[in-house]
Amino acid sequence: DTAVSQTPKYLVTQMGNDKSIKCEQNLGHDTMYWYKQDSKKFLKIMFSYNNKELIINETVPNRFSPKSPDKAHLNLHINSLELGDSAVYFCASSQDLAGGPGNEQFFGPGTRLTVL
Amino acid sequence: AQTVTQSQPEMSVQEAETVTLSCTYDTSESDYYLFWYKQPPSRQMILVIRQEAYKQQNATENRFSVNFQKAAKSFSLKISDSQLGDAAMYFCAYRDNTGTASKLTFGTGTRLQVTL
Repeated sequence: DTAVSQTPKYLVTQMGNDKSIKCEQNLGHDTMYWYKQDSKKFLKIMFSYNNKELIINETVPNRFSPKSPDKAHLNLHINSLELGDSAVYFCASSQDLAGGPGNEQFFGPGTRLTVL
Repeated sequence: AQTVTQSQPEMSVQEAETVTLSCTYDTSESDYYLFWYKQPPSRQMILVIRQEAYKQQNATENRFSVNFQKAAKSFSLKISDSQLGDAAMYFCAYRDNTGTASKLTFGTGTRLQVTL
């Protein structure tokens, strides 16, 4: 029943490792997003994909590579993890890129990444 | 670039009382949406209320209402009859109503405490 799901919910790893976070939505939406919430709770867009095509890349280091195998999935792979990558990562989806009152974004439960 | 400012890092309200959370934003666009999201300790992002910029009437959702002042670029949230379950972080967010600019830009959040 979960609309937007993320795995894992918690991820603890060592500096320098490579890790992935998976996101799936069962809403039939075309557009998916990754947001990062830092230790001060500030939320910022990282990427958006529309129907598997990259739309937004907000000057995120290229150690972060999103991958969208189909429009229901948007995974986030992070290479060479650094201490500053510790944060909560939220996946979200919306019907499409268009504006309009019905095009709200639905958020997943978040993945808390801790880099030691 | 659009910016969203929440000048109240923390607010406190007694149960059953009314509290107003402030938000100002900056944009050169005339057509956009504004949102208030709630993030309880579970960290799930929950949409509380949305306002379309071209609508003069302030949005209301049960105990939640907004005061939207377009000329002043102000968008405050009023919570009436506050309940213990309202305790959370509240984020103001902005979204352009254009095709490829569907990302949300968030403020820094206001932590709301509800006391007995």
